[in-house]
Amino acid sequence: AQKITQTQPGMFVQEKEAVTLDCTYDTSDPSYGLFWYKQPSSGEMIFLIYQGSYDQQNATEGRYSLNFQKARKSANLVISASQLGDSAMYFCAMRERNNNDMRFGAGTRLTVKP
Amino acid sequence: SAVISQKPSRDICQRGTSLTIQCQVDSQVTMMFWYRQQPGQSLTLIATANQGSEATYESGFVIDKFPISRPNLTFSTLTVSNMSPEDSSIYLCSVAVSVGGEAFFGQGTRLTVV
Repeated sequence: AQKITQTQPGMFVQEKEAVTLDCTYDTSDPSYGLFWYKQPSSGEMIFLIYQGSYDQQNATEGRYSLNFQKARKSANLVISASQLGDSAMYFCAMRERNNNDMRFGAGTRLTVKP
Repeated sequence: SAVISQKPSRDICQRGTSLTIQCQVDSQVTMMFWYRQQPGQSLTLIATANQGSEATYESGFVIDKFPISRPNLTFSTLTVSNMSPEDSSIYLCSVAVSVGGEAFFGQGTRLTVV
């Protein structure tokens, strides 16, 4: 069974600084995808970034990058140059090749301070 | 990508009643997923809705409480039956357009049971 762990219930970062949100996972499937979503107070789920288990390079999308360490089974999200609008809940998720459903970690609430 | 319209966006219901949530997708998708997000919590998968067959429920969720319909490849409904205050949550519809790809979410239904 797949399992996603986010150990940081809350994080604070100063505006314009970088922040890393931690995510570790556990799976026996060699083929899987890792995802990060942002959920602002409005409740919508916004897709941020994706990393495939066979990808050789870390994924990047604008200010978001994923620090993928396969041997450690970690997929940390790095947000550079934080903005006030980045304040939200952030969820790490995984989908295994043999399962179409997506499982989520507990989430990290990020607060960006002016 | 996929655009998902979910209705209603919010509702306040009396205990003992039922609410049906609708999810409409702008393209045909094989699998649709229903999640529950209790206050301050992460997303928990309720069931996978397959067109032409019965939904597959996760542990802790039963068809009598959460009946699901999937009449075609673009539409699904989730009913929350015989509601109690513990059912107060956000309910989210989700689809995956490609195998292993990102999940797209509806706006969510914020349900309050009084």
